[in-house]
Amino acid sequence: QVTLKESGPGILQPSQTLSLTCSFSGFSLSTSGICVSWIRQPSGKGLEWLATICWEDSKGYNPSLKNRLTISKDTSNNQAFLKITSVDTADTAIYYCARMRPGRLDYWGQGVMVTVSS
Amino acid sequence: QIMLTQQAESLWISPGERVSITCRASQSLLYTDGKHYLSWYQQRPGQTTKALIYHASVRTDGVPTRFIGSGSGTEFTLSIEHVQPEDFAIYYCLQTLKSPFTFGSGTKLEIK
Repeated sequence: QVTLKESGPGILQPSQTLSLTCSFSGFSLSTSGICVSWIRQPSGKGLEWLATICWEDSKGYNPSLKNRLTISKDTSNNQAFLKITSVDTADTAIYYCARMRPGRLDYWGQGVMVTVSS
Repeated sequence: QIMLTQQAESLWISPGERVSITCRASQSLLYTDGKHYLSWYQQRPGQTTKALIYHASVRTDGVPTRFIGSGSGTEFTLSIEHVQPEDFAIYYCLQTLKSPFTFGSGTKLEIK
């Protein structure tokens, strides 16, 4: 059974760095063809893809976040991570991680709410 | 980047009816492997986001057969036959042909 669960700080202040963890089970990020993606969704709005990391350590980022993103993984502990630097109120959103296979995000986590506020 | 347009923000239908949700891409989503990199997702309150369709027309494991994906090139449709009460939700399309991956703006299915 594939499951993913996101965790994060809940609240942080503008200019701080947001660190998110995706803990998963039921698959390995060392398996060929498997990737993990991060997506976010501001309250009441649509979905935005942020970044993806794959089994062979290739990475992709959304350029709209202007080099603020770093994605990484710990294959041994079945975790993926996302860091977003210099956050501001526009980064307030629900953050999701999802398993990615060719052509789809086939399993999603429940999401974690992150609020940026002074 | 590739833009995805879901023209309808909301669609009002009655249970049992058939509905089609469209997604238009700013360029072809056909890859050299012959597959279209367009997928569909369902969001319901309190539930995890669910993958319905990938490669434009392949149903994800466990998805009911009333969900049908079709289309090619730049025009794609998610059809739901005999809409059930649990189908009233928000539906998004996603392209994974080229980075940055992009979502459509979503279509909310509402009860008439």
